[in-house]
Amino acid sequence: SQTIHQWPATLVQPVGSPLSLECTVEGTSNPNLYWYRQAAGRGLQLLFYSVGIGQISSEVPQNLSASRPQDRQFILSSKKLLLSDSGFYLCAWSSKGQGTNEKLFFGSGTQLSVL
Amino acid sequence: RKEVEQDPGPFNVPEGATVAFNCTYSNSASQSFFWYRQDCRKEPKLLMSVYSSGNEDGRFTAQLNRASQYISLLIRDSKLSDSATYLCVVYSGAGSYQLTFGKGTKLSVIP
Repeated sequence: SQTIHQWPATLVQPVGSPLSLECTVEGTSNPNLYWYRQAAGRGLQLLFYSVGIGQISSEVPQNLSASRPQDRQFILSSKKLLLSDSGFYLCAWSSKGQGTNEKLFFGSGTQLSVL
Repeated sequence: RKEVEQDPGPFNVPEGATVAFNCTYSNSASQSFFWYRQDCRKEPKLLMSVYSSGNEDGRFTAQLNRASQYISLLIRDSKLSDSATYLCVVYSGAGSYQLTFGKGTKLSVIP
């Protein structure tokens, strides 16, 4: 069966520090991968998605970046965190193909607090 | 008009009650619809897809009204374990991989 791992679960970082969140998927190949952010009282916001190695699409301009160095690995990074980057970050995957690519399976999330 | 709109609640209902949530969407070309469940400080999990003819999964019934652009979720015989936030999700299917999530409706089932 497919599983998705995301870490760390919680993170407290000072403003201006770098960020690296990692996500890996097991039990499937060539998945679509996503990074979402959920701020308090707001809906999930898509930050990045990837359909393959090295292919990253950004949905929201910001000081974050994403990379996909391997088929089942997705990394979210920042060189300098802002207070507004605080939130609940979720990695997700979906299969490719009609009827499946819109069903998302989420990792357990990272609660990021920027102080 | 917001793309996907839900009543945030909270809906406080006693055990055994029936409760219904509605969700409206603005894009008439939307193709697929879903309900996700999210527990506090946890990841969202797919609860059920919503089909044009309506569909049922145990105590849960989902319905779609394309003409009025809304979907609904009905929970019968509420359990304490149903307490969560229910997210309405719409997929445009326009070659985009983006799903639009509602902000969720919070349900608290009370003993």
